[in-house]
Amino acid sequence: ETGVTQTPRHLVMGMTNKKSLKCEQHLGHNAMYWYKQSAKKPLELMFVYSLEERVENNSVPSRFSPECPNSSHLFLHLHTLQPEDSALYLCASSQDLAGGYEQYFGPGTRLTVT
Amino acid sequence: GQNIDQPTEMTATEGAIVQINCTYQTSGFNGLFWYQQHAGEAPTFLSYNVLDGLEEKGRFSSFLSRSKGYSYLLLKELQMKDSASYLCAVMDSNYQLIWGAGTKLIIKP
Repeated sequence: ETGVTQTPRHLVMGMTNKKSLKCEQHLGHNAMYWYKQSAKKPLELMFVYSLEERVENNSVPSRFSPECPNSSHLFLHLHTLQPEDSALYLCASSQDLAGGYEQYFGPGTRLTVT
Repeated sequence: GQNIDQPTEMTATEGAIVQINCTYQTSGFNGLFWYQQHAGEAPTFLSYNVLDGLEEKGRFSSFLSRSKGYSYLLLKELQMKDSASYLCAVMDSNYQLIWGAGTKLIIKP
């Protein structure tokens, strides 16, 4: 595998379910990100990790819970979601947090909450 | 507040040139990025500007004026495969990317 991978690619869940999204980067990067992308809206930064430490939590509801066990893996745990949480969830990584390093994105998980 | 503005949609003809503008107001500035996103796919990096001026990369060029809070992406010799959304993003003082909503570019034969 190369680049940034995400699983699953599609997920349908009920509002009472618990599920997790997984992201893995094979680039040796130090920073990882979770974004939410809704139709015709800007990408919303949800969480930022640098060297496995969370450095940002942009007022994200507690029903989203991130986990970064090591610098290559990032999870987003989901529970009791709402229909408005349906969106494309993108994971990204970059060499470092600071500096003009480009972010590399995974293919995303298309989440539908029913 | 922080704000990135870019046109919602543009249409151009195959073989022509198109310029996509982006204006921004952010708390701090550590560079401006352009990304391309095809429908159903992840964004991919196109360019990065941190100093004023023009950066050229093949058919794509990106310009930055920090004093005006303005950038543009110039696409030359348009091809059908250039049909995509183009995202402008500014890195703020906390090194976080603030994103525009994207410009959907439609290329017609």
